[in-house]
This record gives sequence, C-alpha cells and structure tokens, in this order.
Amino acid sequence: GQNIDQPTEMTATEGAIVQINCTYQTSGFNGLFWYQQHAGEAPTFLSYNVLDGLEEKGRFSSFLSRSKGYSYLLLKELQMKDSASYLCAVQDSNYQLIWGAGTKLIIKP
Amino acid sequence: IAGITQAPTSQILAAGRRMTLRCTQDMRHNAMYWYRQDLGLGLRLIHYSNTAGTTGKGEVPDGYSVSRANTDDFPLTLASAVPSQTSVYFCASSESAGDTGELFFGEGSRLTVL
Repeated sequence: GQNIDQPTEMTATEGAIVQINCTYQTSGFNGLFWYQQHAGEAPTFLSYNVLDGLEEKGRFSSFLSRSKGYSYLLLKELQMKDSASYLCAVQDSNYQLIWGAGTKLIIKP
Repeated sequence: IAGITQAPTSQILAAGRRMTLRCTQDMRHNAMYWYRQDLGLGLRLIHYSNTAGTTGKGEVPDGYSVSRANTDDFPLTLASAVPSQTSVYFCASSESAGDTGELFFGEGSRLTVL
C-alpha cells in the first residue's frame, strides 16, 4: 500500500528552528510537495522537490532523499504566524497525490 | 482575484437528503479535484476531472457524483447523505492533470450530516 508518515504534532519556540519530517512509501515517485494549512483555512503551496537535495525559499527549506523515501521541511526564525498544520504529499507514478495526515506545529512565545 | 470559490461554506444536512457542493474557478485550469479532509487523516481524493467533459473516481468515490460540463464548474453531489459524509470538503484545481504544478484550493465547505 501507499503510505505517508509525519509526526502528528510538534511544539517550538518563537525565533527558533524546527524540522518536520516526512517518510513515504508509494507506487512510483514524481515529486514531493509541502503545503501549509492554517486552522479553518485551505492548504497553500510551500514547496516542491523532485530531485535529491535542499530547496531553499526564504525562511523555509525542503529536503528530499529519494533513496531513503524521506523529506523534511525546515522552518527558521519561527514566527507566531507559522502556527499551522504542514502537509506532506507525494505524487505517485500516476501523478496522483498521496497525502500525509499533517503535522500540527504549535509556536510558543 | 477569486481563484476557486466554493459554496456553501457550511451546511447542516439531515441524513437522506440530497446536497450539491458548488465549485467554480476562474483560472482556466484544466484539472479539478474534490477532496475530503477528516481529523487524523490526510486529504482523500473523491473525484477528479482532467479536462472539461471527463471525470474519474478517486480513493473514496462511493456516495458521491460529479460533473464537468465546462472548464470553470465542478459540482459535487451527495445523492443521499449519510453521517459518515460529515467532513470538510475542498475543491482544488491545477493547470493540467499529470503535471508537477501546485494545487490551488478553495476555502472549503464544512458539511455536517445528522
């Protein structure tokens, strides 16, 4: 079966750095996405990785290792507005997205 | 700038009733999707449409139907609602099916079936 695993909840301090991990087992691989979803709102796109390595975009970076079936989202200089759920999704061989359950990130002052 | 508009935003429905969730996009995207989101579970695909005039079944299609008469509209119908269909429903679109572009989501429709 296809499976995406990510921690259910994480807590971090304002100004700090947090790493959210995602491991996957899917039928084929055509890319990995990270989305941010604030409570009661729609998911919004953060990043896309298809090749191994680190993609940096401002305070957010995303890493992929295809051989390990592993990705992480790194958030630096945390702000209170970063409190949200972070969704990992993998595009399988049919270009269908398989979604993880999301990681709820709580930022404390 | 509208993007994707869903209606209604929230609805309480008696079991057995018929309900249509509306979804309209103004980005001229070819592909559209309906997902449901339940606590503790990832987004699950209900139905999708790769282009106007075509639809396909996703992971959890039972009890739902869709149509895609034109590029902009992609309504989701529950023929006879059941309590297990209580969920938040998201409509989404992408420029084309099978590409690696991002999905754009509507704001969601929260449906409660009693």
